[in-house]
Amino acid sequence: VQLVESGGTLVQPGGSLRLSCAASGFPFSLYGMNWVRQAPGKGLEWLSFISTDSGTIYYADSVKGRFTISRDNARNSLYLQMSNLRADDTAVYSCARGICTSTSCPRHYFDFWGQGSLVSVSS
Amino acid sequence: DIQMTQSPSTLSASVGDRVTITCRASQSISSWLAWYQQEPGKAPKLLIYKASSLESGVPSRFSGSGSGTEFTLTISNLQPDDFATYYCQQYDDYSRITFGQGTRLEIK
Repeated sequence: VQLVESGGTLVQPGGSLRLSCAASGFPFSLYGMNWVRQAPGKGLEWLSFISTDSGTIYYADSVKGRFTISRDNARNSLYLQMSNLRADDTAVYSCARGICTSTSCPRHYFDFWGQGSLVSVSS
Repeated sequence: DIQMTQSPSTLSASVGDRVTITCRASQSISSWLAWYQQEPGKAPKLLIYKASSLESGVPSRFSGSGSGTEFTLTISNLQPDDFATYYCQQYDDYSRITFGQGTRLEIK
């Protein structure tokens, strides 16, 4: 299993950015996927979830209305479109595979994480 | 949102020690709790799911317990690789997943 994020860079406040997560080593279309971020020196913050068929999507309040999660199962890729970025969005953004069992779904935890992509929001 | 509170925030211990980290939820989450280990500059690693189920490949010196609102992660016979930051995560409210603030385990 491998998850590799890309697209992180320095962006000005109010700007937009799209992050990608390339998945390999597993049947991507069969797993729900998540984005999680970690601000410098801080803890983990869950941001968003997308189901296997993109039919169910959830967002944390902190990014709702500004971030959009999507996926392309044909390309084994997960995306996070970020707009109206703020300084407090500065963080390492990671994708994480959701795993659930027959008795827990839709409740899921994260069994594999990518290394992350750094987004810096500053003028 | 369900608030997750870990204690202590920092824990000092020595190789060979047994340590316990506590995670409290602001409301009952049954057993829908996971624990992760994060070493500096690395991705988090799943240790425990459903409060007490050990993830495949994780050493048996790691154990989890609890249900409802109070949970513990115990590490026995601490090894040098165990000095890292640990996070709990609730997934009972799967539309608003939340993490504890983390517990940094440092060498005494």
